[in-house]
Amino acid sequence: EAGVAQSPRYKIIEKRQSVAFWCNPISGHATLYWYQQILGQGPKLLIQFQNNGVVDDSQLPKDRFSAERLKGVDSTLKIQPAKLEDSAVYLCASQRGTQETQYFGPGTRLLVL
Amino acid sequence: QKEVEQNSGPLSVPEGAIASLNCTYSDRVSQSFFWYRQYSGKSPELIMSIYSNGDKEDGRFTAQLNKASQYVSLLIRDSQPSDSATYLCAVPSGNTPLVFGKGTRLSVIA
Repeated sequence: EAGVAQSPRYKIIEKRQSVAFWCNPISGHATLYWYQQILGQGPKLLIQFQNNGVVDDSQLPKDRFSAERLKGVDSTLKIQPAKLEDSAVYLCASQRGTQETQYFGPGTRLLVL
Repeated sequence: QKEVEQNSGPLSVPEGAIASLNCTYSDRVSQSFFWYRQYSGKSPELIMSIYSNGDKEDGRFTAQLNKASQYVSLLIRDSQPSDSATYLCAVPSGNTPLVFGKGTRLSVIA
């Protein structure tokens, strides 16, 4: 079974630029999460999708971050405009059912200069 | 959002020793508890879950839960250099499926 796929793996941008990250979950996993992990911290949930609907986006900075999962499979997270403090690893995770294990993708390392 | 607290370490133990990692949580209604391992530059992977008070053993790993004290720990017996990683404690809280602690960095010295 293929794991969670993410791209790109690394991205360097200047502040005020925009960036987009892509995630393809494990086949059949209805739930998809985006996390932000700042160096030295644990992952922090940004948004949770169940199929193509948003379950929780209370911690997503909506003035600059947006995410979608239009067909209930892959998902895109966008930052526009980026700030220095957005430098982090952005992790995507998927889950078959709400009580089951979350599987993480390899992450996208973002550096904002 | 409720908190999950861990000592950030680093925790250094000699090879073959027992490593003890601790975690406290603030949400009294939490019913499930998870330990993730994260190697440097890699993503977290689940190594243990525990739902009832007491101990749960899986190979060299033992998770211990005390809901009254809001405390969960992970013991690693016969520690190996390959166990060197950051260990993240994660607890569901409110509407958030997993709230992670900052992690404890473990270093096993050969």
